[in-house]
Amino acid sequence: GAVVSQHPSRVICKSGTSVKIECRSLDFQATTMFWYRQFPKQSLMLMATSNEGSKATYEQGVEKDKFLINHASLTLSTLTVTSAHPEDSSFYICSAGPGVREQFFGPGTRLTVL
Amino acid sequence: GEDVEQSLFLSVREGDSSVINCTYTDSSSTYLYWYKQEPGAGLQLLTYIFSNMDMKQDQRLTVLLNKKDKHLSLRIADTQTGDSAIYFCAENAGGADGLTFGKGTHLIIQP
Repeated sequence: GAVVSQHPSRVICKSGTSVKIECRSLDFQATTMFWYRQFPKQSLMLMATSNEGSKATYEQGVEKDKFLINHASLTLSTLTVTSAHPEDSSFYICSAGPGVREQFFGPGTRLTVL
Repeated sequence: GEDVEQSLFLSVREGDSSVINCTYTDSSSTYLYWYKQEPGAGLQLLTYIFSNMDMKQDQRLTVLLNKKDKHLSLRIADTQTGDSAIYFCAENAGGADGLTFGKGTHLIIQP
């Protein structure tokens, strides 16, 4: 299957700093990528849809100024958690696919905000 | 809104079949998926089924879809210890929307 990578896999930061997470499609181009968040022992919640060359679409309740998404190329989307706080600590996962039907997930990024 | 429901736990003996069930509410669901998540890892796409199908088989995996009852199941034949994971059911209404996930079923394998 298609490969989606994320970087970093783990990040620990101080409260108030910003953290950037990268999502790359390695062997295909993706005009659309998705960002999810997973709290411990809970399911994934869709945060936003990242669209190449245009603004991201955010789900209800997700602050767009808090979670900045940039989809600058057909193989890269970035999620920046701005002014991170402990409640932002979570597992962030992106997905992408050569088509909408097949979505492949990155390995996830564990964010811990102290 | 959309809702996807799964049991939280399933315990089976090694070698037996596992059947993980899922119900959904969105009648416009076009694709339904099963993902596997091992501890500390991302999600692995196991299989998916288009809504005009009622069964799909792939090696040890069998997916059954009852569209009338909005019920999806995943059967794993000859369950092995390596199958121990959380299994997520997800649905997509088509188009460019993201997936809606169930809470996941934790499959526990007994020796």
